[in-house]
Amino acid sequence: AQSVTQPDIHITVSEGASLELRCNYSYGATPYLFWYVQSPGQGLQLLLKYFSGDTLVQGIKGFEAEFKRSQSSFNLRKPSVHWSDAAEYFCAPIFGNEKLTFGTGTRLTIIP
Amino acid sequence: GAGVSQSPSNKVTEKGKDVELRCDPISGHTALYWYRQSLGQGLEFLIYFQGNSAPDKSGLPSDRFSAERTGGSVSTLTIQRTQQEDSAVYLCASSLLGSGGYTFGSGTRLTVV
Repeated sequence: AQSVTQPDIHITVSEGASLELRCNYSYGATPYLFWYVQSPGQGLQLLLKYFSGDTLVQGIKGFEAEFKRSQSSFNLRKPSVHWSDAAEYFCAPIFGNEKLTFGTGTRLTIIP
Repeated sequence: GAGVSQSPSNKVTEKGKDVELRCDPISGHTALYWYRQSLGQGLEFLIYFQGNSAPDKSGLPSDRFSAERTGGSVSTLTIQRTQQEDSAVYLCASSLLGSGGYTFGSGTRLTVV
């Protein structure tokens, strides 16, 4: 069965530190892969997406993600976080049926 | 419009009443989706419309839930005989098929009392 896992429910990072949020999927092929961010009281905003080609994709707000086929992973990274990055982050594959399947999300807290 | 518009932004209703939630997608977007976000359940797919094809209703949790999309544009999600467990944020999104990535509205927060 196809599934997506975000192993970290909550991550706390100091402002200026680097960040990596994990995402793993289970699927018989390579899905389309997306990361969304949801700030408190806000809607979902697309950060970046991967369809094919270059496995390192750049997104908005200084985020990037790397697709690793061998690990069935699509981890989100940022070299230096800002207080405004505090939010909930969702990994969301499309498993060939045009519907996003959302992970359970990772809540990011930034400390000064 | 410039984005996906949902109305109302907040709705409080009494248990047993019917509610209608509206979604105005981005003009020209052929696909429209409804999701529900609630504590403990995360983001759940409800229904998907694509052009003139029959909608994918596989995520609707019960027959109290229905949705329609008129003229390939505006969509209405109807919940009949609301229950307390229906309390959630209902999110609508639209996309161009194959373009990758949905644009989400800000959601309707439904509270059933």
